[in-house]
Amino acid sequence: EDQVTQSPEALRLQEGESSSLNCSYTVSGLRGLFWYRQDPGKGPEFLFTLYSAGEEKEKERLKATLTKKESFLHITAPKPEDSATYLCAVQRPNTDKLIFGTGTRLQVFP
Amino acid sequence: DAGVIQSPRHEVTEMGQEVTLRCKPISGHNSLFWYRQTMMRGLELLIYFNNNVPIDDSGMPEDRFSAKMPNASFSTLKIQPSEPRDSAVYFCASSPIGGVSEAFFGQGTRLTVV
Repeated sequence: EDQVTQSPEALRLQEGESSSLNCSYTVSGLRGLFWYRQDPGKGPEFLFTLYSAGEEKEKERLKATLTKKESFLHITAPKPEDSATYLCAVQRPNTDKLIFGTGTRLQVFP
Repeated sequence: DAGVIQSPRHEVTEMGQEVTLRCKPISGHNSLFWYRQTMMRGLELLIYFNNNVPIDDSGMPEDRFSAKMPNASFSTLKIQPSEPRDSAVYFCASSPIGGVSEAFFGQGTRLTVV
């Protein structure tokens, strides 16, 4: 059965304290792995798509990486505005649906 | 583009009543998804459509839930009769059909069944 597991469930960081979020997955084939950001009371907002092992994508303070079993979202020198829940999702071949993990709730304190 | 539009944003209803949630996808997107989000289970896919046709409804909890997409610009998710355990945030999302494509989400409808 396809499964997406994110860790940690919650993470508290001081402003400027870099860290990484983990998304491990078991899926029969991988069409794509997606990272989303969700703010309270809002829908998930797309961040990155990764297609194959070894691939990396960057956006401001965020960098996403992918291996055959997991993905990391690295946050460099975070700011309070980076506080949100970060969701990981996978897509199998021959389907358009995304299977989501339960997310990591990130809080960055000044 | 206004993005995916959902209505209402909030709905409070009594147990046993019918609830209808509405969604307008992004123009040109041929795939539409209905998700439910709860603290306990996270984001769960309920059903998705390609070109207005239901493709996978295996996530629909039971017969009380139904979804329709009468045209490319409108979809509904109906719960009849509603129960307190249906309380959740329901999201609609759309994406271009096929390939590897990220889904764009609406703001969600927060449903409370009392």
